[in-house]
Amino acid sequence: AQSVTQLGSHVSVSEGALVLLRCNYSSSVPPYLFWYVQYPNQGLQLLLKYTSAATLVKGINGFEAEFKKSETSFHLTKPSAHMSDAAEYFCAVSDLGSNYQLIWGAGTKLIIKP
Amino acid sequence: DSGVTQTPKHLITATGQRVTLRCSPRSGDLSVYWYQQSLDQGLQFLIQYYNGEERAKGNILERFSAQQFPDLHSELNLSSLELGDSALYFCASSGGLAGASSETQYFGPGTRLLVL
Repeated sequence: AQSVTQLGSHVSVSEGALVLLRCNYSSSVPPYLFWYVQYPNQGLQLLLKYTSAATLVKGINGFEAEFKKSETSFHLTKPSAHMSDAAEYFCAVSDLGSNYQLIWGAGTKLIIKP
Repeated sequence: DSGVTQTPKHLITATGQRVTLRCSPRSGDLSVYWYQQSLDQGLQFLIQYYNGEERAKGNILERFSAQQFPDLHSELNLSSLELGDSALYFCASSGGLAGASSETQYFGPGTRLLVL
């Protein structure tokens, strides 16, 4: 069965530091991969998605993610964290095995230290 | 603003009661999804409707039901409520090509349900 693992329920970085949020998935067929962000008291918003084109995907707000098939990973990065990046981030996968329904990770709360 | 609206924003009710949550999708979107988000279960997919018909079911309890109306708005009905049903309920919509696996889902702001 498809699954998504996000390492670390909380990640804390200093303002200006590199942000790295980890996502690993299990899928036996080429997947579609998504990162969504949830700001406090709001709904989820798409950051970026991988749909089998370029393996390095650029999203909104300076975020990007790289699809690595050999590692079954889709980690989210941002070179320099801003206070406004404090939010919860969700990785999701869909493929034929899930009948193309999104399978969600548990989420990682990003904390930015001043 | 995603263009998806949900009402009400907050709902407080008692165990055993029934409530209805409403969702209006983005203009032109045919698919509507319902999710439950709680601290212990995380984000759980409940059900999807496409152009008025049920398309996929997730972890939806038998006490819960949904429908999508001809004007494409959707309602999620929760009955015989239990304390554990307290959660944030999200609606999302997408362009709705059935089976379009890479579609972006646009989320509403959610309805926060508290069962006392």
